[in-house]
Amino acid sequence: GAVVSQHPSRVICKSGTSVKIECRSLDFQATTMFWYRQFPKQSLMLMATSNEGSKATYEQGVEKDKFLINHASLTLSTLTVTSAHPEDSSFYICSAVMGTGSSPLHFGNGTRLTVT
Amino acid sequence: GQNIDQPTEMTATEGAIVQINCTYQTSGFNGLFWYQQHAGEAPTFLSYNVLDGLEEKGRFSSFLSRSKGYSYLLLKELQMKDSASYLCAVRDSNYQLIWGAGTKLIIKP
Repeated sequence: GAVVSQHPSRVICKSGTSVKIECRSLDFQATTMFWYRQFPKQSLMLMATSNEGSKATYEQGVEKDKFLINHASLTLSTLTVTSAHPEDSSFYICSAVMGTGSSPLHFGNGTRLTVT
Repeated sequence: GQNIDQPTEMTATEGAIVQINCTYQTSGFNGLFWYQQHAGEAPTFLSYNVLDGLEEKGRFSSFLSRSKGYSYLLLKELQMKDSASYLCAVRDSNYQLIWGAGTKLIIKP
């Protein structure tokens, strides 16, 4: 149980274009979804936290107009990287949690974004 | 500030036992998690501790001492597939997850 599906797994795009990444919780309703990015050999960096039906909470230094997050339902959140630049190339990982307390985060398989 | 410390890298031999330590200073405590992350992949959940003591799950065990702000992940009968990064994360009083930088574990034959 507790499967999180993330799509696409890899994407290559040109500078200036936008890329949408989808994150779905397949067998549970996610009260909260998190978006992380990870550079090579570095730890996870939380970008934003999103709750269904409300605006995402962005971490300091993360541009909300550049990284658009939509949490339309309890099973779907999307991250859109707008006007992508080469420095946005990274590994983006979503995670979802059901409730709080002892519930662990369940991660999607990640999206490798390369901006040329 | 909030901080989680773990060794950057460890090396162990196939079949042996290794202990990966994690110390934390956070604003409150609502549980500690261990995740495994293979290169190029997303993290996978290994264990959760919220009370002091040892939680055993097959070859993996995790220990917590809240008074010392300390946890360790114990891996027994190491296999080559255990080569990965191991991430320690603490949930603080606001239920935010604070992540350690991860420990890269290298298993040698």
